[in-house]
Amino acid sequence: QKEVEQDPGPLSVPEGAIVSLNCTYSNSAFQYFMWYRQYSRKGPELLMYTYSSGNKEDGRFTAQVDKSSKYISLFIRDSQPSDSATYLCAINGGTSYGKLTFGQGTILTVHP
Amino acid sequence: NAGVMQNPRHLVRRRGQEARLRCSPMKGHSHVYWYRQLPEEGLKFMVYLQKENIIDESGMPKERFSAEFPKEGPSILRIQQVVRGDSAAYFCASSSGETQYFGPGTRLLVL
Repeated sequence: QKEVEQDPGPLSVPEGAIVSLNCTYSNSAFQYFMWYRQYSRKGPELLMYTYSSGNKEDGRFTAQVDKSSKYISLFIRDSQPSDSATYLCAINGGTSYGKLTFGQGTILTVHP
Repeated sequence: NAGVMQNPRHLVRRRGQEARLRCSPMKGHSHVYWYRQLPEEGLKFMVYLQKENIIDESGMPKERFSAEFPKEGPSILRIQQVVRGDSAAYFCASSSGETQYFGPGTRLLVL
């Protein structure tokens, strides 16, 4: 079983839709949860960071963590064509502090 | 404030040659991480370094790969005697705490 599993997609939605991206993880020792966005042939860009269960909102983005279910989500409201990218969940902590464990990534396309 | 810088951005090597990838962390960051992204695969952790110390190298292949972060200068990821399977994007990240910021990557192609 992989430490972090991410819905692979790909996901194609019309402009303005609400997008839901999800990951599950197996190690309850994980403490820090991040979402990165990666455009084609670019480096990952940090979108959201949280360490507690609950919701964290930043503009059109909401990160949700449920530690009891080992489940994390990223919601994008009013999606735009410029949101088209690969989204990566990443988790830190446990016995290997400093090492980020990534999901496989979800390719999102928002069409006008 | 400059972000994480990596060079070269693209590197072509023939089998058996050496590849040297450089990473300069963000100003004020003393932690450096290297990740590899193979085609159609996710990002995989390779090594975590602080100045003059390797903290965690659990993701490094046992042979041909080495990394350093000297007191002065950039962090270096070195791959000796490259093989075609080493072709990938190599990303460096830096941090001063839990959040890691990534560079643009070096795309290595082994012919």
